Amino acid sequence: NAGVTQTPKFRVLKTGQSMTLLCAQDMNHEYMYWYRQDPGMGLRLIHYSVGEGTTAKGEVPDGYNVSRLKKQNFLLGLESAAPSQTSVYFCASSSGQGTRGEAEAFFGQGTRLTVV
Amino acid sequence: AQSVAQPEDQVNVAEGNPLTVKCTYSVSGNPYLFWYVQYPNRGLQFLLKYITGDNLVKGSYGFEAEFNKSQTSFHLKKPSALVSDSALYFCAVRPGGKLIFGQGTELSVKP
Repeated sequence: NAGVTQTPKFRVLKTGQSMTLLCAQDMNHEYMYWYRQDPGMGLRLIHYSVGEGTTAKGEVPDGYNVSRLKKQNFLLGLESAAPSQTSVYFCASSSGQGTRGEAEAFFGQGTRLTVV
Repeated sequence: AQSVAQPEDQVNVAEGNPLTVKCTYSVSGNPYLFWYVQYPNRGLQFLLKYITGDNLVKGSYGFEAEFNKSQTSFHLKKPSALVSDSALYFCAVRPGGKLIFGQGTELSVKP
């Protein structure tokens, strides 16, 4: 049972390039999340999804887009990368448990992105 | 605005002593509160959660947390710290579909 898998694990981009980060979960979870982690800033929510075909903005959505075409996958796109997007990106998923949201989240191992 | 605050960037404890990592929250309605731990170069791992019921919640690795509604706090505790507890700890709150984290507290346990 793989849990939450992020691809790739490392990437170096040049300013202005685009890329897509893939998050895949095999737990049939409804909710999926994308975070960025920066020193002293904790984890900041970029976008999230409460079900297949739905997405919503988090705390820091600018410069990112997401798609949830399949329940098991949540893609994070950077259309034109900037040095400020250098960070470690984490994906997470959890079961929805209806609207109560009491289920804990499971995290991937992270993607270290450097934009030069 | 719904948020979580961890007022201490770092907590230092001697092995065998009790530890507390503080968390306060601001959320409308009933809060769903979580603690996670992160070891170097790893993703976050779930420790414990408060949904409803007893104010003292027990979790993994001997950790527990006390929910205090009047003080809007959810402090993480352990009676006797281990060197292996040294890690980054995050408090989180779930308003609706979001899951929002505090800025993290670095716990250092010295022998």
